[in-house]
Amino acid sequence: AQRVTQPEKLLSVFKGAPVELKCNYSYSGSPELFWYVQYSRQRLQLLLRHISRESIKGFTADLNKGETSFHLKKPFAQEEDSAMYYCALSGSNSGYSTLTFGKGTMLLVSP
Amino acid sequence: ETGVTQSPTHLIKTRGQQVTLRCSSQSGHNTVSWYQQALGQGPQFIFQYYREEENGRGNFPPRFSGLQFPNYSSELNVNALELDDSALYLCASSRNGDREEETQYFGPGTRLLVL
Repeated sequence: AQRVTQPEKLLSVFKGAPVELKCNYSYSGSPELFWYVQYSRQRLQLLLRHISRESIKGFTADLNKGETSFHLKKPFAQEEDSAMYYCALSGSNSGYSTLTFGKGTMLLVSP
Repeated sequence: ETGVTQSPTHLIKTRGQQVTLRCSSQSGHNTVSWYQQALGQGPQFIFQYYREEENGRGNFPPRFSGLQFPNYSSELNVNALELDDSALYLCASSRNGDREEETQYFGPGTRLLVL
């Protein structure tokens, strides 16, 4: 069975502080990991995927297979980063891919 | 490029009723997945449709059913509604068979309230 754990419901930081949103996963195969973000009154949107290895809006995430983690990091938080962040795992079972989401972490960046 | 759209945006039903939710996939996408997001939870996979057939299913009872049409749009039907079915229902589209495009793109959701 595949599972995604986001241990923090809420993370509150000040503008300019570093941010790390934690994500751990459980999957027997080779996973694809994603971070999705939901800003207030907007739809769920893709922030980044591990196979792209790119930085979006200053965020990066590295897949650590040894620790089964995919933590999301940003060196200097901005107020506009305040949103709900979901870590998700894509596993292929029986020929189809489905996303398993964590419960999400609310990031609040204060001025 | 047109994004994923869903209708209606909000819906109120009573226990025992039936509901149909609709989704139009993003241009160029052939696969639609449905998710249920209860308050304070992450989205949970209901099922996926590809080539007009159910391609996979999560842990949801048979009263949750769906359809996909030749234009790749999709419907989610829920029979015999229960109070616990109150949630945000999300539709996501992707392009099956293309690893890069298997990334799922979400619609704005339909918020269902069952009284």
